[in-house]
Amino acid sequence: DAGITQSPRYKITETGRQVTLMCHQTWSHSYMFWYRQDLGHGLRLIYYSAAADITDKGEVPDGYVVSRSKTENFPLTLESATRSQTSVYFCASRTIAEQETQYFGPGTRLLVL
Amino acid sequence: KQEVTQIPAALSVPEGENLVLNCSFTDSAIYNLQWFRQDPGKGLTSLLLIQSSQREQTSGRLNASLDKSSGRSTLYIAASQPGDSATYLCAVSPGNTPLVFGKGTRLSVIA
Repeated sequence: DAGITQSPRYKITETGRQVTLMCHQTWSHSYMFWYRQDLGHGLRLIYYSAAADITDKGEVPDGYVVSRSKTENFPLTLESATRSQTSVYFCASRTIAEQETQYFGPGTRLLVL
Repeated sequence: KQEVTQIPAALSVPEGENLVLNCSFTDSAIYNLQWFRQDPGKGLTSLLLIQSSQREQTSGRLNASLDKSSGRSTLYIAASQPGDSATYLCAVSPGNTPLVFGKGTRLSVIA
Protein backbone atom coordinates (compact mmCIF):
# COMPACT_ATOMS: atom_id res chain seq x y z
CA ASP A 1 0.00 0.00 0.00
CA ALA A 2 1.24 3.44 -0.87
CA GLY A 3 1.54 6.00 1.91
CA ILE A 4 2.46 5.85 5.54
CA THR A 5 1.45 2.98 7.78
CA GLN A 6 1.76 2.29 11.46
CA SER A 7 1.63 -0.97 13.36
CA PRO A 8 0.17 -2.10 15.58
CA ARG A 9 -2.90 0.13 15.51
CA TYR A 10 -3.78 -0.78 19.09
CA LYS A 11 -1.54 -2.08 21.85
CA ILE A 12 -2.05 -2.91 25.50
CA THR A 13 1.03 -3.52 27.58
CA GLU A 14 2.15 -3.53 31.19
CA THR A 15 4.39 -1.17 33.08
CA GLY A 16 8.04 -2.03 32.62
CA ARG A 17 7.69 -3.87 29.33
CA GLN A 18 9.50 -2.85 26.18
CA VAL A 19 7.25 -1.86 23.29
CA THR A 20 8.14 -1.00 19.71
CA LEU A 21 5.85 0.95 17.44
CA MET A 22 6.51 0.63 13.74
CA CYS A 23 6.25 3.26 11.03
CA HIS A 24 6.74 2.65 7.31
CA GLN A 25 6.45 5.07 4.39
CA THR A 26 6.57 4.24 0.70
CA TRP A 27 7.53 7.65 -0.69
CA SER A 28 11.23 7.68 0.28
CA HIS A 29 10.63 10.92 2.18
CA SER A 30 13.74 12.26 3.87
CA TYR A 31 12.05 13.46 7.05
CA MET A 32 10.16 11.30 9.49
CA PHE A 33 8.59 12.27 12.81
CA TRP A 34 7.06 10.70 15.90
CA TYR A 35 4.41 12.59 17.88
CA ARG A 36 2.24 11.75 20.82
CA GLN A 37 -1.21 13.27 21.22
CA ASP A 38 -2.84 13.69 24.60
CA LEU A 39 -5.90 15.60 25.76
CA GLY A 40 -4.87 19.03 26.95
CA HIS A 41 -1.40 18.82 25.42
CA GLY A 42 -2.11 18.53 21.74
CA LEU A 43 0.54 17.06 19.49
CA ARG A 44 4.02 16.86 20.98
CA LEU A 45 7.10 15.90 19.04
CA ILE A 46 9.07 12.99 20.47
CA TYR A 47 11.85 12.43 17.91
CA TYR A 48 12.48 13.19 14.28
CA SER A 49 14.88 12.13 11.60
CA ALA A 50 16.20 14.08 8.62
CA ALA A 51 17.62 11.01 6.86
CA ALA A 52 18.75 7.47 7.50
CA ASP A 53 21.05 7.30 10.53
CA ILE A 54 20.26 10.91 11.54
CA THR A 55 17.89 11.46 14.45
CA ASP A 56 17.14 14.37 16.76
CA LYS A 57 15.21 14.84 19.98
CA GLY A 58 11.94 16.66 20.03
CA GLU A 59 10.01 18.18 22.90
CA VAL A 60 9.39 14.98 24.93
CA PRO A 61 12.11 12.36 24.15
CA ASP A 62 12.63 10.88 27.63
CA GLY A 63 11.78 7.19 27.83
CA TYR A 64 11.82 6.71 24.06
CA VAL A 65 14.42 5.42 21.63
CA VAL A 66 14.39 5.65 17.83
CA SER A 67 16.48 4.31 15.01
CA ARG A 68 16.49 4.80 11.27
CA SER A 69 18.63 2.28 9.46
CA LYS A 70 16.46 2.48 6.31
CA THR A 71 14.85 5.57 4.82
CA GLU A 72 11.38 4.03 4.79
CA ASN A 73 11.26 2.80 8.40
CA PHE A 74 11.32 4.74 11.66
CA PRO A 75 10.54 2.54 14.69
CA LEU A 76 9.85 4.03 18.11
CA THR A 77 10.73 1.98 21.18
CA LEU A 78 9.53 2.52 24.70
CA GLU A 79 12.34 0.91 26.66
CA SER A 80 10.39 0.41 29.89
CA ALA A 81 6.79 1.52 29.46
CA THR A 82 5.17 3.73 32.10
CA ARG A 83 1.52 4.66 32.58
CA SER A 84 2.32 8.22 31.57
CA GLN A 85 3.19 6.90 28.12
CA THR A 86 -0.41 5.87 27.52
CA SER A 87 -1.25 7.96 24.48
CA VAL A 88 -1.96 8.00 20.78
CA TYR A 89 1.24 7.96 18.74
CA PHE A 90 1.45 9.40 15.25
CA CYS A 91 4.18 8.97 12.71
CA ALA A 92 4.60 11.49 9.92
CA SER A 93 6.86 12.08 6.95
CA ARG A 94 7.66 14.75 4.40
CA THR A 95 10.13 15.51 1.65
CA ILE A 96 13.19 17.70 2.17
CA ALA A 97 11.43 20.53 0.34
CA GLU A 98 10.12 23.08 2.83
CA GLN A 99 7.14 23.96 0.67
CA GLU A 100 5.75 20.45 0.92
CA THR A 101 3.25 19.36 3.51
CA GLN A 102 3.61 16.64 6.08
CA TYR A 103 1.76 13.32 5.81
CA PHE A 104 0.52 11.50 8.87
CA GLY A 105 -0.07 7.85 9.60
CA PRO A 106 -3.32 6.60 11.14
CA GLY A 107 -1.89 6.42 14.66
CA THR A 108 -1.25 3.75 17.29
CA ARG A 109 -3.32 3.76 20.47
CA LEU A 110 -1.17 2.55 23.34
CA LEU A 111 -2.48 1.68 26.77
CA VAL A 112 0.03 0.98 29.53
CA LEU A 113 -1.50 -0.79 32.52
CA LYS B 1 10.45 29.66 21.34
CA GLN B 2 7.64 29.59 18.81
CA GLU B 3 4.18 29.11 20.28
CA VAL B 4 0.97 28.57 18.36
CA THR B 5 -2.42 29.34 19.87
CA GLN B 6 -5.83 28.46 18.47
CA ILE B 7 -9.00 30.10 19.65
CA PRO B 8 -11.64 28.96 20.33
CA ALA B 9 -10.82 25.47 21.58
CA ALA B 10 -14.28 24.30 20.55
CA LEU B 11 -17.00 25.70 18.34
CA SER B 12 -20.53 24.57 17.54
CA VAL B 13 -22.47 26.09 14.64
CA PRO B 14 -25.66 25.29 12.72
CA GLU B 15 -25.33 23.87 9.23
CA GLY B 16 -24.96 26.48 6.51
CA GLU B 17 -23.13 29.06 8.58
CA ASN B 18 -19.89 30.62 7.44
CA LEU B 19 -17.25 30.41 10.14
CA VAL B 20 -13.72 31.50 10.97
CA LEU B 21 -11.10 29.61 12.94
CA ASN B 22 -8.21 31.58 14.35
CA CYS B 23 -4.54 30.80 14.75
CA SER B 24 -1.84 33.04 16.21
CA PHE B 25 1.90 32.52 16.49
CA THR B 26 4.53 34.35 18.50
CA ASP B 27 7.49 34.47 16.09
CA SER B 28 6.83 35.93 12.64
CA ALA B 29 9.97 34.30 11.19
CA ILE B 30 8.14 31.38 9.64
CA TYR B 31 8.65 29.53 6.38
CA ASN B 32 5.05 28.48 5.93
CA LEU B 33 1.81 27.88 7.80
CA GLN B 34 -0.36 24.83 7.39
CA TRP B 35 -3.90 23.89 8.35
CA PHE B 36 -4.72 20.26 9.07
CA ARG B 37 -7.94 18.41 9.74
CA GLN B 38 -8.26 15.50 12.16
CA ASP B 39 -11.31 13.27 12.33
CA PRO B 40 -11.93 11.32 15.56
CA GLY B 41 -9.61 8.32 15.82
CA LYS B 42 -7.74 9.27 12.66
CA GLY B 43 -4.47 10.89 11.68
CA LEU B 44 -4.07 14.43 10.41
CA THR B 45 -4.82 15.40 6.84
CA SER B 46 -3.35 18.50 5.25
CA LEU B 47 -5.91 21.05 4.07
CA LEU B 48 -3.96 24.12 3.03
CA LEU B 49 -0.36 25.28 3.07
CA ILE B 50 0.48 28.98 2.81
CA GLN B 51 4.04 29.99 2.01
CA SER B 52 5.42 32.95 3.97
CA SER B 53 5.35 35.07 0.81
CA GLN B 54 1.65 34.37 0.21
CA ARG B 55 -1.38 36.03 1.76
CA GLU B 56 -3.95 33.31 1.24
CA GLN B 57 -4.78 29.93 -0.20
CA THR B 58 -8.12 28.53 -1.28
CA SER B 59 -9.43 25.01 -1.69
CA GLY B 60 -13.11 24.60 -2.41
CA ARG B 61 -15.08 26.06 0.51
CA LEU B 62 -11.92 26.65 2.52
CA ASN B 63 -9.87 29.82 2.50
CA ALA B 64 -6.83 30.37 4.68
CA SER B 65 -5.16 33.73 5.15
CA LEU B 66 -1.80 34.64 6.59
CA ASP B 67 -0.63 37.91 8.13
CA LYS B 68 2.97 37.29 9.13
CA SER B 69 3.56 40.72 10.60
CA SER B 70 0.75 40.34 13.11
CA GLY B 71 1.36 36.62 13.66
CA ARG B 72 -2.12 35.57 12.63
CA SER B 73 -3.87 33.17 10.31
CA THR B 74 -7.53 32.44 9.77
CA LEU B 75 -9.30 29.49 8.23
CA TYR B 76 -12.60 30.46 6.68
CA ILE B 77 -15.14 27.72 6.01
CA ALA B 78 -18.06 28.71 3.81
CA ALA B 79 -21.52 27.16 4.03
CA SER B 80 -20.56 24.69 6.72
CA GLN B 81 -21.81 21.09 6.54
CA PRO B 82 -22.05 18.32 9.15
CA GLY B 83 -19.18 16.58 7.34
CA ASP B 84 -16.95 19.50 8.28
CA SER B 85 -17.15 18.42 11.92
CA ALA B 86 -13.59 17.63 13.00
CA THR B 87 -10.65 19.13 14.83
CA TYR B 88 -8.70 21.71 12.85
CA LEU B 89 -5.04 22.23 13.69
CA CYS B 90 -2.76 25.04 12.66
CA ALA B 91 1.01 24.53 12.39
CA VAL B 92 3.92 26.81 11.50
CA SER B 93 7.21 25.85 9.95
CA PRO B 94 10.21 27.74 11.33
CA GLY B 95 12.24 26.34 8.42
CA ASN B 96 14.59 23.34 8.63
CA THR B 97 13.02 22.37 11.93
CA PRO B 98 9.85 20.47 12.74
CA LEU B 99 6.40 21.99 12.57
CA VAL B 100 5.05 23.69 15.68
CA PHE B 101 1.39 22.82 16.23
CA GLY B 102 -1.46 24.55 17.98
CA LYS B 103 -3.80 22.48 20.13
CA GLY B 104 -6.61 22.70 17.63
CA THR B 105 -10.21 23.86 17.41
CA ARG B 106 -12.88 21.19 17.69
CA LEU B 107 -15.69 22.07 15.29
CA SER B 108 -19.20 20.65 15.44
CA VAL B 109 -21.64 21.50 12.64
CA ILE B 110 -25.19 20.73 13.69
CA ALA B 111 -27.70 19.61 11.04
